[in-house]
Amino acid sequence: AQSVTQLDSHVSVSEGTPVLLRCNYSSSYSPSLFWYVQHPNKGLQLLLKYTSAATLVKGINGFEAEFKKSETSFHLTKPSAHMSDAAEYFCVVNPGNTGFQKLVFGTGTRLLVSP
Amino acid sequence: EAQVTQNPRYLITVTGKKLTVTCSQNMNHEYMSWYRQDPGLGLRQIYYSMNVEVTDKGDVPEGYKVSRKEKRNFPLILESPSPNQTSLYFCASSLRRGMNTEAFFGQGTRLTVV
Repeated sequence: AQSVTQLDSHVSVSEGTPVLLRCNYSSSYSPSLFWYVQHPNKGLQLLLKYTSAATLVKGINGFEAEFKKSETSFHLTKPSAHMSDAAEYFCVVNPGNTGFQKLVFGTGTRLLVSP
Repeated sequence: EAQVTQNPRYLITVTGKKLTVTCSQNMNHEYMSWYRQDPGLGLRQIYYSMNVEVTDKGDVPEGYKVSRKEKRNFPLILESPSPNQTSLYFCASSLRRGMNTEAFFGQGTRLTVV
């Protein structure tokens, strides 16, 4: 079965320090991978996506993620956290076995940013 | 403004009373879907639609119905809601059904069934 594991349910950082949100996936095919962010009382917004082009993907608001096939990982990073980054982040995989959109969501990581 | 609009945003209802949550998109997207979000479980797909009059079950379809009579609308129907359907619901749409296309999400509907 295809799955996504977000290794931390909560991550706390101080403003100005780096952010690392970890994600591992399993897929027998060539997956597409996404990171979405959910701010309180808002819908989900796409941060970035990997679709078999460059393995280092840059997204909005200074976030980036690196696809590592050998480690089946797609960790999200940002060099310097802002208070406005506090939100819930979802790693999402489209396993690729159906040929169309079939999103599998991780359980989410809540990012807390302190002053 | 391009968007996915869900209504209502909040709903409290009683067990067994039929309800409909509406979803509308103004982007001429082909593909639409419904998800429910529960703590510790992420989002799980309820139903999806690849185009008008084409719908199919997702991972957790029990207790739900959908219809797609027009391209822009994709209502979620709970014929006889039960407390275990208390959840946060999201509608999403994509331009195409391809696996690389971005999904656009509505703001969510928080449903409580008592």
